[in-house]
Amino acid sequence: SQTIHQWPATLVQPVGSPLSLECTVEGTSNPNLYWYRQAAGRGLQLLFYSVGIGQISSEVPQNLSASRPQDRQFILSSKKLLLSDSGFYLCAWSVGRQTETQYFGPGTRLLVL
Amino acid sequence: DAKTTQPTSMDCAEGRAANLPCNHSTISGNEYVYWYRQIHSQGPQYIIHGLKNNETNEMASLIITEDRKSSTLILPHATLRDTAVYYCIAQRTDSWGKLQFGAGTQVVVTP
Repeated sequence: SQTIHQWPATLVQPVGSPLSLECTVEGTSNPNLYWYRQAAGRGLQLLFYSVGIGQISSEVPQNLSASRPQDRQFILSSKKLLLSDSGFYLCAWSVGRQTETQYFGPGTRLLVL
Repeated sequence: DAKTTQPTSMDCAEGRAANLPCNHSTISGNEYVYWYRQIHSQGPQYIIHGLKNNETNEMASLIITEDRKSSTLILPHATLRDTAVYYCIAQRTDSWGKLQFGAGTQVVVTP
């Protein structure tokens, strides 16, 4: 069966510090991968998605970036965090090109102080 | 992608059926209706999806009207663990990768 992992589970970082969040998927090959952010009390916002290694599409301009160094690994990064980067970061995966059944990870809660 | 409209919140008694409405009056022929839910502090969970026909799985049933302008998610026997925000999403089959989550319906199941 497929599983998705995210770490860390929680993170407290000072403004201006770098960020690296990792997501890995097991039990499937060539998945589509996604990063979402959910601000407190708000809906989910799609940040990035990837259809393959090295292929990243950005949905919202911001100081975040994403990379996919391996087939089942998706990384969200920032060089300098802003207060507004606080939120709940969710990674998700899906397969194929004709369905939107996405499966979400447990999320990383980020607090920027 | 069509916009969906859901009630902000609803309560349901434990053990009773929960019927969650969703309006998608501008839905087009190639748009599926997807339902997800998000329990507090967890990632969203896929529930069910459909195009034209009613669908049922181990979690819920999805009833889509004949004109496809609205649908209802049915949780047959609500439990306290079904307390969550439920999202109804209309998504084109050729625009994968861009699930648009709205505000959803906050469902509270009470003993």
